[in-house]
Amino acid sequence: QKEVEQDPGPLSVPEGAIVSLNCTYSNSAFQYFMWYRQYSRKGPELLMYTYSSGNKEDGRFTAQVDKSSKYISLFIRDSQPSDSATYLCAIFPSTGANSKLTFGKGITLSVRP
Amino acid sequence: KAGVTQTPRYLIKTRGQQVTLSCSPISGHRSVSWYQQTPGQGLQFLFEYFSETQRNKGNFPGRFSGRQFSNSRSEMNVSTLELGDSALYLCASSLAATGTGVKEQYFGPGTRLTVT
Repeated sequence: QKEVEQDPGPLSVPEGAIVSLNCTYSNSAFQYFMWYRQYSRKGPELLMYTYSSGNKEDGRFTAQVDKSSKYISLFIRDSQPSDSATYLCAIFPSTGANSKLTFGKGITLSVRP
Repeated sequence: KAGVTQTPRYLIKTRGQQVTLSCSPISGHRSVSWYQQTPGQGLQFLFEYFSETQRNKGNFPGRFSGRQFSNSRSEMNVSTLELGDSALYLCASSLAATGTGVKEQYFGPGTRLTVT
């Protein structure tokens, strides 16, 4: 089983739709959960990260973590064409010399005007 | 503040050759991590350097190597290139080593390597 599994895409939605992007992970040692956005021909940029279970909101974006089911989600409200990009979830253990970010494969989102 | 820069942005090499990629982190950042991104495997961790020392390494063959200089700039080398090495190579910098709990990594635009 891969450490992080991300829903496959691509995903196409009309402008204004609510988008739900999801990942599952296998190791309960992971403590930090992140979402990156990657535009075409660019490097990933950190959107937001959360620690432990719960919700975190930043404008139109909400990150949700359910550690009991090892499930993380990113919700985008009122989606805009400028949100069209690849979204990657990433997980990270709390500390440790061998800590490294582990990424999902990413899902490509297209928001149609 | 300038972001992470990577050079060159594009490279075309033939099988068997070697290649060196360069990464300049954000000023003040001392940790540099390298990743390989392919459509099939996604983003995979190669290695991390902090204060000129390799702190962590992913599951890649010894053909992949790196180093970091005293000014925190880093280079990655791939020897005896194979077709499967074609990928986007990304570097990311952060203030401290990721194992110390600092989680924000800032990525460069990547170097697109094509092996023919």
